[in-house]
Amino acid sequence: DADVTQTPRNRITKTGKRIMLECSQTKGHDRMYWYRQDPGLGLRLIYYSFDVKDINKGEISDGYSVSRQAQAKFSLSLESAIPNQTALYFCATSDERANYGYTFGSGTRLTVV
Amino acid sequence: AQTVTQSQPEMSVQEAETVTLSCTYDTSESDYYLFWYKQPPSRQMILVIRQEAYKQQNATENRFSVNFQKAAKSFSLKISDSQLGDAAMYFCAYRKIQGAQKLVFGQGTRLTINP
Repeated sequence: DADVTQTPRNRITKTGKRIMLECSQTKGHDRMYWYRQDPGLGLRLIYYSFDVKDINKGEISDGYSVSRQAQAKFSLSLESAIPNQTALYFCATSDERANYGYTFGSGTRLTVV
Repeated sequence: AQTVTQSQPEMSVQEAETVTLSCTYDTSESDYYLFWYKQPPSRQMILVIRQEAYKQQNATENRFSVNFQKAAKSFSLKISDSQLGDAAMYFCAYRKIQGAQKLVFGQGTRLTINP
């Protein structure tokens, strides 16, 4: 099994729908992150969490919310999806030192039509 | 805020030749980490190489090496003896040592290997 698992792998949804992207990890890491990837923009941070009670906004949090249900689970929600939220979404984890960067999930490709 | 810039949206190289991908960054920190990630068509993010800013020696991992110029805030990736499997998007990333440990990414460079 992968260290960081994201579900679903691909999803098409309609404008205005609520959608949740899920992430679970077996690394035992405290820190979890959600990024979105857009062509020409690289990866940008949406939210990050250092533990269950510590959630922080990243640079592009508008239109998104998150829930850290347990140390191993970190979900990203789009309350009312819009087409410009079409992107590739990554969940990642790190330990406290993060000396070797992050461990990434395999991504969720979300299309909002 | 820290920023990372990859000025080459696309690069191509002949198989077995050498290619260098450029990355510059902006920071006021003296200690930090720099990374290169590879994203093949499978879209998995794979760590290629990392550099600690306090180390003057350039990092090397097999065919991959970096040219780290701290004063110039430059961190280029050299791929020697390019192979077809090296075709991917490559992202440069920065993280300061203290604080939230957020990775800041560049825009990416798409590398094509010509057989």
